Amino acid sequence: DGGITQSPKYLFRKEGQNVTLSCEQNLNHDAMYWYRQDPGQGLRLIYYSQIVNDFQKGDIAEGYSVSREKKESFPLTVTSAQKNPTAFYLCASSKLAGGDYEQYFGPGTRLTVT
Amino acid sequence: DAKTTQPPSMDCAEGRAANLPCNHSTISGNEYVYWYRQIHSQGPQYIIHGLKNNETNEMASLIITEDRKSSTLILPHATLRDTAVYYCIVRLLYSGAGSYQLTFGKGTKLSVIP
Repeated sequence: DGGITQSPKYLFRKEGQNVTLSCEQNLNHDAMYWYRQDPGQGLRLIYYSQIVNDFQKGDIAEGYSVSREKKESFPLTVTSAQKNPTAFYLCASSKLAGGDYEQYFGPGTRLTVT
Repeated sequence: DAKTTQPPSMDCAEGRAANLPCNHSTISGNEYVYWYRQIHSQGPQYIIHGLKNNETNEMASLIITEDRKSSTLILPHATLRDTAVYYCIVRLLYSGAGSYQLTFGKGTKLSVIP
């Protein structure tokens, strides 16, 4: 089955701890994205990567970091500097970056920080 | 600023066509209309997109008005599994900064009634 996997589905952390969210795709897509969704709200872009070893900040990158060492993987680290980390995190990928390529989403990770 | 306007909620009887409207009166000539849906606590699912011609795929039809200021997503025979929040998005056509992210608003919550 081709698709995007995110793990775990639910994650709980204590305030002050860094936490890394996993995102893997086997669609052979070059571009990958991380979004954040808060209750009742739309999605906001955190980071995106057009190609391996390259990534750019989105609208709300502060307090987050990413890496793209492999085409299939784009992990997101939520650092202790992120003031409101509790949210639903969604990873997506597309064949290439840009307007004519639809993005496919993973099932999401719900992070709760207390 | 919101680039699209959608009704917050709609009901549709099971088996009937669901017609979801979207207003995008400020759309420019180099922007697509995209539709996604999100079932509760899952990642968004791509449905369809178009530039100026009507489009149809196995999931839905997209009707774009001649002036491109509004569109309608049609689910021809709605089922209970179509209950979700539907997002209408405008997105830049070309590859480049500004075209990578999907800007989700609050969407339309469609409830399919048995």
